[in-house]
Amino acid sequence: QQPVQSPQAVILREGEDAVINCSSSKALYSVHWYRQKHGEAPVFLMILLKGGEQKGHEKISASFNEKKQQSSLYLTASQLSYSGTYFCGTESNTGFQKLVFGTGTRLLVSP
Amino acid sequence: DGGITQSPKYLFRKEGQNVTLSCEQNLNHDAMYWYRQDPGQGLRLIYYSQIVNDFQKGDIAEGYSVSREKKESFPLTVTSAQKNPTAFYLCASSWRVGNNEQFFGPGTRLTVL
Repeated sequence: QQPVQSPQAVILREGEDAVINCSSSKALYSVHWYRQKHGEAPVFLMILLKGGEQKGHEKISASFNEKKQQSSLYLTASQLSYSGTYFCGTESNTGFQKLVFGTGTRLLVSP
Repeated sequence: DGGITQSPKYLFRKEGQNVTLSCEQNLNHDAMYWYRQDPGQGLRLIYYSQIVNDFQKGDIAEGYSVSREKKESFPLTVTSAQKNPTAFYLCASSWRVGNNEQFFGPGTRLTVL
């Protein structure tokens, strides 16, 4: 079953913060986050494994609450280059499973 | 440079014709995937392969077929049985299926006229 992402779209001014949520109805082993710019291939951002470890990369970080089967992606002090569509991909709790991707969140950062 | 290549970038076909999309990787990855992307629907898995000579259906396999005769190649055939084949097709690979980063190719946009 496809995870649900929220919001569907968000518009920010440069320097503002945003949170993108990913929620699943199934128990999860891992959550992946990817960003795709228009007409390009998705690019990997990070993986979060069962255990609730928060990960970060520069000003983009994420958390994973395995009890709630939810993950959140945090973008702080957004830059123009953050614009794109963000997808979460979830792996079920048995591990070594294919990913199921959400429908995406479109983010536009304006000057 | 290591990576994934897909060809062609744009493909036009007449309704009723089968068409094969190419995907090659030189990352030495065992796992390969095919996704279909339609506006507003994210990435949906068509087929995936964990190892050479083995592949499994994904969530939307009907009307598609694949082969995995070589580790580096995973071609996708869109058959005439696929009711709505016009879409953006993405190929990806990873070390193995599961909690591994997937590397995506540039995609093939297929338009059936």
